Amino acid sequence: EAGVAQSPRYKIIEKRQSVAFWCNPISGHATLYWYQQILGQGPKLLIQFQNNGVVDDSQLPKDRFSAERLKGVDSTLKIQPAKLEDSAVYLCASSLAQVDGYTFGSGTRLTVV
Amino acid sequence: AQTVTQSQPEMSVQEAETVTLSCTYDTSESDYYLFWYKQPPSRQMILVIRQEAYKQQNATENRFSVNFQKAAKSFSLKISDSQLGDAAMYFCAYRRGNDMRFGAGTRLTVKP
Repeated sequence: EAGVAQSPRYKIIEKRQSVAFWCNPISGHATLYWYQQILGQGPKLLIQFQNNGVVDDSQLPKDRFSAERLKGVDSTLKIQPAKLEDSAVYLCASSLAQVDGYTFGSGTRLTVV
Repeated sequence: AQTVTQSQPEMSVQEAETVTLSCTYDTSESDYYLFWYKQPPSRQMILVIRQEAYKQQNATENRFSVNFQKAAKSFSLKISDSQLGDAAMYFCAYRRGNDMRFGAGTRLTVKP
């Protein structure tokens, strides 16, 4: 079984620029999550999709962050404009059922300078 | 809101010895799931072990076992016969429905 794919692996941008991250979950996993992990902290949920619908985006800074999951498969997370405090690892995860743990991708490390 | 607390930012263990990582959580629910994840420098979060709250029996996966104390809301991870490859960040997580919360993590160092 292929894992959760994420790209790019690293990204360095200047503040006020825009950036996009891509995620391809495990085939058949209806639920997809984007997490932000700041250095030294645990992952924090940004947004959760069930198929192509948003289930929870209460912690997504909607003035600068946006995400979509077209056709209920791949997902894209965008930041525009980026701030220094957005520097973090952005993890994508998917799950099959509520009893399961999540399967995570390797994440994208974003550095905003 | 559910919170997960890992009170040990760093732990160290000698190779082949046993180490226990602590985790407490706060919830008013009775039906939920608890997890321990390992995050090596590669950054990928790897599921180590899972515990269903309705089960009294502690989960075990090879060298990894948990001590689940539901009344105390405690969920510690025991690693036996520690190996160099066990060195990583370990995160405790609480899940109810589609809501999973993580602790701040414990960095485990394994000394040869």
